[in-house]
Amino acid sequence: EIVMTQSPASLSVSPGERATLSCRASQSVRRNLAWYQQKPGQAPRLLIYGASTRATGIPARFSGTGSGTEFTLTISSLQSEDFAVYYCQHYDIWPCTFGQGTKVDIK
Amino acid sequence: QVQLVESGGGVVQPGWSLRLSCAASGFTFSTYGMHWVRQAPGKGLEWVAVIWNDGNNKYYTDSVKGRFTISRDNSKNTLYLQMNGLRAEDTAVYYCARDILIHDSSGVFDYWGQGTLVTVSS
Repeated sequence: EIVMTQSPASLSVSPGERATLSCRASQSVRRNLAWYQQKPGQAPRLLIYGASTRATGIPARFSGTGSGTEFTLTISSLQSEDFAVYYCQHYDIWPCTFGQGTKVDIK
Repeated sequence: QVQLVESGGGVVQPGWSLRLSCAASGFTFSTYGMHWVRQAPGKGLEWVAVIWNDGNNKYYTDSVKGRFTISRDNSKNTLYLQMNGLRAEDTAVYYCARDILIHDSSGVFDYWGQGTLVTVSS
């Protein structure tokens, strides 16, 4: 199976600052990469799919880039509601797999 | 609006069986692939299984092959996960999730339920 590795494991950011999260695949997943946000006690929420397409209702401050094995999620100006855990996930082949997550907390 | 409501979780002993259900509403259930995704306490997400909209194709993660069975009843708008031979490592919150594609299954999950907790312990 394809192993997804996220970095850093945690990130402390001040509100209004930019956050950059990375995700690496153990082999090419083309652009078949999604990002999810999860807050404590809640189900995950789809943010990005196709490496760069925002899901319905996702604010423009969330953007995704990359292809092949290297991907980035950027939150341009962190809002209070953005502090959460973020997961990348490939869906190029079965089984689809998730990264271990990056926790974004308040600095 | 799209709603997915899981049920059937609980505390069971190793080796026991459990069947989870996911009641869907707010969309045409029979046109979407559906998934189960789990999350062990304090851990990350793990995809478990997928079933195509017509039930004809199914895939599983290796750790549950031969023990878990995904199924659906489109007349009842309900997704199921039959879990046999449960192990301690199956302890997790189990989410059902809808695939983003119609009449196919991509592995992108656009709607999720709130989850049901399964605890396997002696």
